Amino acid sequence: SSELTQPPSVSVSPGQAARITCSGDPFPKKYAYWYQHKSGQAPVMVIFEDTKRPSGIPERFSGSSSGTLATLTISGAQVDDEADYYCFSVNSDGNQGVFGGGTTLTVL
Amino acid sequence: QEQLVESGGGVVQPGRSLTISCAASGFTFSNYDIHWVRQAPGKGLEWVAVIWFDGSKKYYADSVRGRFTISRDNSKNSLSLQMNGLRAEDTAVYYCARKFSHSSWAIDIWGQGTMVTVSS
Repeated sequence: SSELTQPPSVSVSPGQAARITCSGDPFPKKYAYWYQHKSGQAPVMVIFEDTKRPSGIPERFSGSSSGTLATLTISGAQVDDEADYYCFSVNSDGNQGVFGGGTTLTVL
Repeated sequence: QEQLVESGGGVVQPGRSLTISCAASGFTFSNYDIHWVRQAPGKGLEWVAVIWFDGSKKYYADSVRGRFTISRDNSKNSLSLQMNGLRAEDTAVYYCARKFSHSSWAIDIWGQGTMVTVSS
């Protein structure tokens, strides 16, 4: 089965860029999706199909992909962006979803 | 408002069975594939299963295949997850989640989750 690897934590100061990486064998053939998850709330999709931003998601959220690495960038991170972030994709057979282990973003 | 609401969670003994449900509203349920995703206490999100919009295809994570069964009733806008042979490691919040489109594995709508605790 496929695996996606994320750093456990990323810490930045307010206004700095936060970059969260996700590496794994689904890429580049399969898309990466990114979810923001705050405690006690349902996850929210912030990036889909590697680079696309859903309506309502601030422009400071962007995604990129190169080879087997997908990256979520939050330009000018805000305190309100503190959350767990998960990458998500599908295995090469297209029949199993897979989440990365999650990255806790701290902005302080 | 497009919405998914889970129900049926609770405490169950190891080895026993439990069925949880998900009720959809505000959109045409029969047009969408639906996932189950879970999160164990203190752990990350884990994909569990997906069912095609018409019920024709069902796929499972290796950790639950053979024990869990996903099903849907489009006439009732409802989704179910039957869980047999439950183990302590199945303890988690279970979310139903809508697949963005049939061609995309993106999840655009999540329920609030229902807690399943497997304990003697």
